[in-house]
Amino acid sequence: AQSVAQPEDQVNVAEGNPLTVKCTYSVSGNPYLFWYVQYPNRGLQFLLKYITGDNLVKGSYGFEAEFNKSQTSFHLKKPSALVSDSALYFCAVRSNQGGKLIFGQGTELSVKP
Amino acid sequence: DSGVTQTPKHLITATGQRVTLRCSPRSGDLSVYWYQQSLDQGLQFLIQYYNGEERAKGNILERFSAQQFPDLHSELNLSSLELGDSALYFCASSPSATGGNEQFFGPGTRLTVL
Repeated sequence: AQSVAQPEDQVNVAEGNPLTVKCTYSVSGNPYLFWYVQYPNRGLQFLLKYITGDNLVKGSYGFEAEFNKSQTSFHLKKPSALVSDSALYFCAVRSNQGGKLIFGQGTELSVKP
Repeated sequence: DSGVTQTPKHLITATGQRVTLRCSPRSGDLSVYWYQQSLDQGLQFLIQYYNGEERAKGNILERFSAQQFPDLHSELNLSSLELGDSALYFCASSPSATGGNEQFFGPGTRLTVL
């Protein structure tokens, strides 16, 4: 069965420090992986995706993610966190049965000044 | 703005009632997905339509149904509502039914069942 796990419910970082939000996946075949961000009372906004190619993917708002096939991980990173990055982050894998997204449970990122 | 619109933004209704949620996909997108977000279940896929045809089904209750119209907008119908149906319902769209295209999400409809 396909699944995504985000092992941390919450991540706290200080503004200006690097941040990492972790994600691991389980899927047969080559995965299509996505990160989305959700601000309060808003819909999900697409950040970045990995389909194939370079393992380091760059996305919106200075975020990037590293695909690691041997560790089945797709961690989201940013070199220098901003207070405005505080939000709920979701990792997702696209099902190879149709196009639905299978989401992790989400990680609440809190960036303090 | 993702280009996906959903109406209404908020819906408050009583148990046993029936409601319809509406979604208009981004221009040019043929595939529409419905998701439910709740505190206990997280984000769950409900159903997918592609160019008017049902493409995939998730854990959608028999009380729920959906359709996609010729102009590609979609409606999610929820009937015999229960308290546990209170959730945020998202619609998303993408150009194709499969593949690596990202899905673009609407702002959601918050359903409260009293």
